[in-house]
Amino acid sequence: QLVLTQSPSASASLGASVKLTCTLSSGHSGYAIAWHQQQPDRGPRYLMKLNSDGSHSKGDGIPDRFSGSSSGTERYLTISSLQSEDEADYYCQTWGTAIVLFGGGTRLTVL
Amino acid sequence: QMQLVESGGGVVQPGGSLRLSCAASGFTFSTYGIHWVRQAPGKGLEWVALISYDGSNKYYADSVKGRFTISRDNSKNTLHLQMNSLRAEDTAVYYCARRAFCSGCSDSYYYYMDLWGKGTTVTVSS
Repeated sequence: QLVLTQSPSASASLGASVKLTCTLSSGHSGYAIAWHQQQPDRGPRYLMKLNSDGSHSKGDGIPDRFSGSSSGTERYLTISSLQSEDEADYYCQTWGTAIVLFGGGTRLTVL
Repeated sequence: QMQLVESGGGVVQPGGSLRLSCAASGFTFSTYGIHWVRQAPGKGLEWVALISYDGSNKYYADSVKGRFTISRDNSKNTLHLQMNSLRAEDTAVYYCARRAFCSGCSDSYYYYMDLWGKGTTVTVSS
């Protein structure tokens, strides 16, 4: 069964880097995902599509500070030079035929 | 500027109905499938429904099947979600979101969302 797992929370200091993880269930290492950001009291914002080989394509206007990578069933979102506006919930999402799944989200706190 | 703007949310009693709308601008609406996604208070994102670019195919989550109907009017660049027999558990912010363009893909390949609206709030309460 296809499942996406995210840690509920993460924190990092202003100006530092952070790596968020989205884990696909066993046997689903070939799946691509998308990362979405949701700032407080706002709608989600598409960040990037991340393929199983680590290649990714970002949405319009997404800063270079946001990057993605993959390893096995793990999909990563790295945010460098953290800014206060990066404090948000981050959701991974995957899909297939007749299916869309979201991870539970990671709340990122910028210290 | 590409955008999606939802409207039509409100407070409704259990068993009641509500019709949400989503107005699109800045892109060729008629060439994209559109999703509805909802978020209950303090919870994560839940997929609700998808309609193909031409309205010929519609897909629903089991939790809303038979109660919700997705439709679109490409002449008006507008998407709708008719919600009937509403329950307390339907209380959520409802977002419309564009299905990313997928060359050669079947309509039932749900793919990912690459443009989101700001959402409209639906509260089901007596």
